[in-house]
Amino acid sequence: DAGVTQSPTHLIKTRGQQVTLRCSPKSGHDTVSWYQQALGQGPQFIFQYYEEEERQRGNFPDRFSGHQFPNYSSELNVNALLLGDSALYLCASSLGTRAYNEQFFGPGTRLTVL
Amino acid sequence: AQSVSQHNHHVILSEAASLELGCNYSYGGTVNLFWYVQYPGQHLQLLLKYFSGDPLVKGIKGFEAEFIKSKFSFNLRKPSVQWSDTAEYFCAVNAKGGATNKLIFGTGTLLAVQP
Repeated sequence: DAGVTQSPTHLIKTRGQQVTLRCSPKSGHDTVSWYQQALGQGPQFIFQYYEEEERQRGNFPDRFSGHQFPNYSSELNVNALLLGDSALYLCASSLGTRAYNEQFFGPGTRLTVL
Repeated sequence: AQSVSQHNHHVILSEAASLELGCNYSYGGTVNLFWYVQYPGQHLQLLLKYFSGDPLVKGIKGFEAEFIKSKFSFNLRKPSVQWSDTAEYFCAVNAKGGATNKLIFGTGTLLAVQP
């Protein structure tokens, strides 16, 4: 039973570029959440997707956008990259969006912006 | 504003020492509470959780945590640590009646256990 997978593992971009990160949820899960973890910080919630719609969004600018596909996989897009976007981006999946639905995390994508 | 505070950023212990990691939260409502662990080179995984009932909850690998509502705290404990407990530990909360299961994390505590 595959857990949450993310690609790529590492990515290096320059300021102003755009990036797309991908996530496949744990088998049977229908909800995907994205988090940003800056160095020395805890993960911060970016947004959550369920039924191919953004259900809740954290305090991130519109440069951060996402998508969920019919097979429940998801993409995170970041436009006009800034140096401050350098971080580990985590994807988490769950079966449902209720507070008691446990989230399972992927290994993350390490994004470096130069 | 919703927030989670972890008092210790870096803890160094010898094997067999006792562990207590502090966690306090600020939230205008009832919450579920979690501790996650990230071992070196591995992904975040759930250590234990509290939803309701007995405020003393037991998790995997001998860890336990106590919810003290009056203190808005959820401290993590282990009587005797092992070298394999070296990891980063994150406390997190979510809103019981929230629109989603969005988690709010603390900044983490890096635990190093010396053999």
